[in-house]
Amino acid sequence: DIVMTQTPLSSPVTLGQPASISCRSSQSLVHSDGNTYLNWLQQRPGQPPRLLIYKTSNRLSGVPDRFSGSGAGTDFTLKISRVEAEDVGVYYCIQATQLPYTFGQGTKLEIK
Amino acid sequence: EVQLVESGGGLVQPGGSLRLSCAASGFTFSSYWLTWVRQAPGKGLEWVANIKEDGSEKYYVDSVKGRFTISRDNAKNSLFLQMSSLRAEDTAVYFCAVGIQIWPFDYWGQGTLVTVSS
Repeated sequence: DIVMTQTPLSSPVTLGQPASISCRSSQSLVHSDGNTYLNWLQQRPGQPPRLLIYKTSNRLSGVPDRFSGSGAGTDFTLKISRVEAEDVGVYYCIQATQLPYTFGQGTKLEIK
Repeated sequence: EVQLVESGGGLVQPGGSLRLSCAASGFTFSSYWLTWVRQAPGKGLEWVANIKEDGSEKYYVDSVKGRFTISRDNAKNSLFLQMSSLRAEDTAVYFCAVGIQIWPFDYWGQGTLVTVSS
């Protein structure tokens, strides 16, 4: 199974400041079809997860442009350019290149 | 509007069985793969199983193989998860999810809580 490792596990951030979350996979996430199925999800307290970014860097419609994804191969990053109060929650990366699909441990974003 | 509504959760003893359901609406149910994901209390997300549009392919995480069965009824727009030989570590909120525009999923239900305890 592909192991997904997120860092940090907790990220206290000041409002208006940037935040960055790293996600590393134990093997390349490039699928045989040429796509890299690395997605980012946000889970606010008491809510189901919500998709933010798909295939590494594509923002879902309706997701604020302060969220961006980047990376390739085994190394990926989610960045929030200026954290807002509504961004509090847990962020997960997930690889959907190889079954079983696997999630990172989650990164808890909180306001300082 | 896409809607996924899970039901069937509850308290069950170790070794017992439970059948979860997910009622779908707002999209052409028979055209998409469907997935179950779970989340133990205070823990992260775990992909459990998925099923192809026509039910001909099913995949499971190792920890549930031989105990859980995913199925679907396209005529009733419903997804199921039959769980047997339940263990304490199966205690979780179970979400159903579908990938309509984004693989593997871009819509989630609210989840149903399964508690395995004596």
